[in-house]
Amino acid sequence: KAGVTQTPRYLIKTRGQQVTLSCSPISGHRSVSWYQQTPGQGLQFLFEYFSETQRNKGNFPGRFSGRQFSNSRSEMNVSTLELGDSALYLCASSGMGGSNTEAFFGQGTRLTVV
Amino acid sequence: TQLLEQSPQFLSIQEGENLTVYCNSSSVFSSLQWYRQEPGEGPVLLVTVVTGGEVKKLKRLTFQFGDARKDSSLHITAAQTGDTGLYLCAGGFKTIFGAGTRLFVKA
Repeated sequence: KAGVTQTPRYLIKTRGQQVTLSCSPISGHRSVSWYQQTPGQGLQFLFEYFSETQRNKGNFPGRFSGRQFSNSRSEMNVSTLELGDSALYLCASSGMGGSNTEAFFGQGTRLTVV
Repeated sequence: TQLLEQSPQFLSIQEGENLTVYCNSSSVFSSLQWYRQEPGEGPVLLVTVVTGGEVKKLKRLTFQFGDARKDSSLHITAAQTGDTGLYLCAGGFKTIFGAGTRLFVKA
């Protein structure tokens, strides 16, 4: 079956702009989580959506937001971009979420803010 | 705040050597997961450990969960070049990740 698809793969934006990233989970998966990965901070949890509701949220400013649609596809939005937002953004899908369920990651979107 | 500390941060070894990497915390976790991430790819789940003292084997990889469920280790026997990658441990419903151990296995 198809894996987790993230689009676009690469993106260059200017400081102050906003950006929307997309994640299509594995068919049948209802949980989508988003992460930011940087060399300095490692992999950090942004938020998780389950059945269109945000179920969990990490410690990121309100400029980072997300949503999930009825088909489980999810989008992440970052407003007023800062240089420090340059990172690899990963999404992961799982059937029901929860600690022991396997999460399948996409290849990520590499965002560069200039 | 729950944290996961991984050591060493970087490891470069020859093919055929054995190695162990660690994931430690001062907090108790109901379970821990280990992932491997290769350049340009997302992390891939290797194993989930749930029970204190549990040992799981995946071919040449052996995973152990500490008795108190605060730490875990990954031991690789006879490392191969294909083991090269970033090894991450995760807990807290996959909301907490360690910084990872970057392993490079030389031929």
